[in-house]
Amino acid sequence: AQSVTQLGSHVSVSEGALVLLRCNYSSSVPPYLFWYVQYPNQGLQLLLKYTTGATLVKGINGFEAEFKKSETSFHLTKPSAHMSDAAEYFCAVSRYNFNKFYFGSGTKLNVKP
Amino acid sequence: EAEVAQSPRYKITEKSQAVAFWCDPISGHATLYWYRQILGQGPELLVQFQDESVVDDSQLPKDRFSAERLKGVDSTLKIQPAELGDSAMYLCASSPTGAPSSYNEQFFGPGTRLTVL
Repeated sequence: AQSVTQLGSHVSVSEGALVLLRCNYSSSVPPYLFWYVQYPNQGLQLLLKYTTGATLVKGINGFEAEFKKSETSFHLTKPSAHMSDAAEYFCAVSRYNFNKFYFGSGTKLNVKP
Repeated sequence: EAEVAQSPRYKITEKSQAVAFWCDPISGHATLYWYRQILGQGPELLVQFQDESVVDDSQLPKDRFSAERLKGVDSTLKIQPAELGDSAMYLCASSPTGAPSSYNEQFFGPGTRLTVL
């Protein structure tokens, strides 16, 4: 079975501050991990993904995430928040040879000026 | 750039009425997904198609929901009758390959926001 837990339904940071959004997963097999961003009344856009290989993955808009197998985590970070980063972020897990995604409940990021 | 199209973007209906949502995936994408996203939650898979065949509808409330993809291209999701608890965002997504593979990114449409009064 696979599942995703996102700690913190709301995160607030100041513009220019570090962004850290937490994601922990449960998977009985090597996972494929994804971060998606959703702006109000829009669909989901892929930020970055981990499948195999390098555990630190870089995505769009300056975001990156590190796969830590020992901690079953895939936290999303960005060194300096921008106002345009305010959105809801979803972590998702899948696996090899399997099309189904399991999404976390999401984290709303607020960026204060 | 190719996109997943959905219509309508917004739908307001009264309970017990029928509603239908349409999705046109990216050209050539064999796999199509319908998700329901309740406010404050992550997307939940309702149904998954491989070409015109349903491969997973385990979470689809079949007493009131139906989905079809007759020619393996566009798809329609129907609710009849709608209930207050159906108010949500309905998202359509598509994937490029025709069979489970090592990795399938899902491309999402803008969604249809349903409000049931």
